[in-house]
Amino acid sequence: GQNIDQPTEMTATEGAIVQINCTYQTSGFNGLFWYQQHAGEAPTFLSYNVLDGLEEKGRFSSFLSRSKGYSYLLLKELQMKDSASYLCAVRDSGAGSYQLTFGKGTKLSVIP
Amino acid sequence: DGGITQSPKYLFRKEGQNVTLSCEQNLNHDAMYWYRQDPGQGLRLIYYSQIVNDFQKGDIAEGYSVSREKKESFPLTVTSAQKNPTAFYLCASSVPNRNQPQHFGDGTRLSIL
Repeated sequence: GQNIDQPTEMTATEGAIVQINCTYQTSGFNGLFWYQQHAGEAPTFLSYNVLDGLEEKGRFSSFLSRSKGYSYLLLKELQMKDSASYLCAVRDSGAGSYQLTFGKGTKLSVIP
Repeated sequence: DGGITQSPKYLFRKEGQNVTLSCEQNLNHDAMYWYRQDPGQGLRLIYYSQIVNDFQKGDIAEGYSVSREKKESFPLTVTSAQKNPTAFYLCASSVPNRNQPQHFGDGTRLSIL
């Protein structure tokens, strides 16, 4: 089985930087995904990490440490529209498995 | 535009009724998934299908059924055996490649009358 932990809620100021952490325990690991989900809408893909290190995409970066079972999503130059839930999801390494196990999500509120 | 279409957006069910949620994709993806999302619970996998005419139970399959007769379509039936069906249901699809993300439809919100 898999266990994924994220903070439930975070608040940050417009223009600032925020880091959302995700820790996981899995029997096998084959990649970690971050999704953004606005209330009542579909999750949208943000980033993917399978090797250790930092992946950067514009204002968003994601980091992975496989040995520590740890990832974070870094959001820079926060905008009001970044207020959303951020979901961490881990893919198991089982053969033929494309399933994801999701954390409960972190609700980020961006304030002026 | 390619994408995943779920219908209807809102659905109401009476006690004891079965109801079917539609999911159609034109992304040519082999794999499709159904998730349930409850407040504070994250997404939980109900069923998934990696190829036409084949599907597997996820973590919370009891009270649900699916079919996969066509690559484009993966309908979910919520049966009367599902005791707490009120939730937000999300359908997703992906190519069979581990580094490719799942793409989601806009969801169906099911409520019990």
